[in-house]
This record gives sequence, C-alpha cells and structure tokens, in this order.
Amino acid sequence: KNEVEQSPQNLTAQEGEFITINCSYSVGISALHWLQQHPGGGIVSLFMLSSGKKKHGRLIATINIQEKHSSLHITASHPRDSAVYICAVKRWGDMRFGAGTRLTVKP
Amino acid sequence: EPEVTQTPSHQVTQMGQEVILRCVPISNHLYFYWYRQILGQKVEFLVSFYNNEISEKSEIFDDQFSVERPDGSNFTLKIRSTKLEDSAMYFCASGGAHYEQYFGPGTRLTVT
Repeated sequence: KNEVEQSPQNLTAQEGEFITINCSYSVGISALHWLQQHPGGGIVSLFMLSSGKKKHGRLIATINIQEKHSSLHITASHPRDSAVYICAVKRWGDMRFGAGTRLTVKP
Repeated sequence: EPEVTQTPSHQVTQMGQEVILRCVPISNHLYFYWYRQILGQKVEFLVSFYNNEISEKSEIFDDQFSVERPDGSNFTLKIRSTKLEDSAMYFCASGGAHYEQYFGPGTRLTVT
C-alpha cells in the first residue's frame, strides 16, 4: 500500500469549475506539501501545511491531521492551471510523494 | 525574485562514469535537498543537508551518491559510477527557517 495516495489520478474540468484534489496518508508526518509540476517538468511549491487551512489566490489547501487527509481546491479554474499536482508528506528521515493528479482544464 | 538554479539542464554520460550535478540555492537558505524523478514515476527524496552535513537520506542514497557544499554557494550531487537506472530528472531544492522548499528546474541525466 502506498503511504501517500492521491485521488483522482486524472481530472478534466471546464474553465471556471471548482476543483478538488485529495491526498490521504498513512504515516505520521510533520508537514504536508502541495506541489505543482508543469508540463515541462518544473516543480513549484504551492503550500506547506501542518494544520488547518491556507489560501493563496485561487488556491486553498486544507489538512485534517486526525483523519490523515488533505485537500487542494482551485476556484474558478483556468487552462493555465493544467499541470500535475503532487502531495508530499514530510516525515522524520525523509519525504514521501504521491503519484500526482493530472489536471486538464479546457477552455 | 530569487530562484534556485541547476546546471547542466541535460547531462548524457556513459555507464560507469562519474557525474556531478550542480545547484545554486537561494542565498539565505539553510536547508538543501536533492530529489529524483524517473520518467513516468513519482518524485523520490534522496537527501537533505543542513549545517554542512547530511541531515536525512533515503535508502536510495547509497555509497554511490555524495553531496557537498564546496564553496558556500553551490550544492552538488555526485554519482560515482553511474548505472542505467540512474537515468532520471534530478531536482535540487532549498528552504529557509520555515521549511518551505523552492525547487530548481532540474537536470535531466541520461546514462547510456
């Protein structure tokens, strides 16, 4: 069983739709990161969370430590949001990554 | 805006050769990381570095790998004797006191 599971694996949305990507993990963590990987391969860190909720522009990330679950929401999605979104958990000793959710936003 | 840079962007090497991948972290950052991503697979953590020493490393980071901060600005990853399975994208990241991470653009390593 993977220690970090993301769902869905693939997601296609129409421009303007509200997007939710989920991440569940099975290990104790000190923090959780949401990353965006562009089609060219570059990685951008979106959020680092250890509790609660963070918002940056149209992006919102939440984490529930008790339930070992985090969500990334995108409001008013746009074609430029098309990318792979990766959840990664920081544990003592290393960091474990999910397989990513490939988001395609169509105009 | 400051950014992490990596060189080269693409390195082709023959099996058994040594390679050094270079990274210039953001100047006031304290924490440095290397990750790799084999084509089509997940990103994997290799090593973290703080205060001039390795703070954490994964099971992937065996004796073939080493890291160094030779001059206070560069952060290098050396693979002593490359294998075909070392072919991957290697990402460097750096972070400040709040453990956020900023990623470099990556170096694509191809071992033939």
